[in-house]
Amino acid sequence: TAGITQAPTSQILAAGRSMTLRCTQDMRHNAMYWYRQDLGLGLRLIHYSNTAGTTGKGEVPDGYSVSRANTDDFPLTLASAVPSQTSVYFCASSPSETDTQYFGPGTRLTVL
Amino acid sequence: GQNIDQPTEMTATEGAIVQINCTYQTSGFNGLFWYQQHAGEAPTFLSYNVLDGLEEKGRFSSFLSRSKGYSYLLLKELQMKDSASYLCAVRDSDYKLSFGAGTTVTVRA
Repeated sequence: TAGITQAPTSQILAAGRSMTLRCTQDMRHNAMYWYRQDLGLGLRLIHYSNTAGTTGKGEVPDGYSVSRANTDDFPLTLASAVPSQTSVYFCASSPSETDTQYFGPGTRLTVL
Repeated sequence: GQNIDQPTEMTATEGAIVQINCTYQTSGFNGLFWYQQHAGEAPTFLSYNVLDGLEEKGRFSSFLSRSKGYSYLLLKELQMKDSASYLCAVRDSDYKLSFGAGTTVTVRA
């Protein structure tokens, strides 16, 4: 099985532009998460969804939005990118919010 | 919130043992995870502790003391492929993970 896929693998984006990072899982996991990883800071939770149709804010939600229209997909949107959003973005999923999380391969985003 | 501390870097020789410590201060505790992350790749799950004591899984073991806010990951019989970052993560009462900054382990021949 593919597990969790993310697209694109990497992207360079001009400041002020919008961008949607895609995340798809084929494991029928109920819970999905978006993290950003910055050098020296570790992974930080941006948004999460415990089940399709619901979303919640994590530690660093400002400047990001998410939707969860179905079980498989959890896109992350940057409405107007800023250079401080340069980071590696990881999507993760788990069977439920109480289970172990498994991570996708990541998207490396550079905002200039 | 959570405050999670782990050393930034460690170096060890192939075949040796390395212990990576993790201390945490938490407003609610619901388990501690260790993940391995090779450079440029995704974190992969290694171990989970929710009760005090040692969990052994092959060459890797993880220990937890909830009263001390302390965990360690023990890597035995080190191999070159063990060179990676090791992430300590604490789950809070809302089942959300907070991660430490990671410990980069370099294995030398």
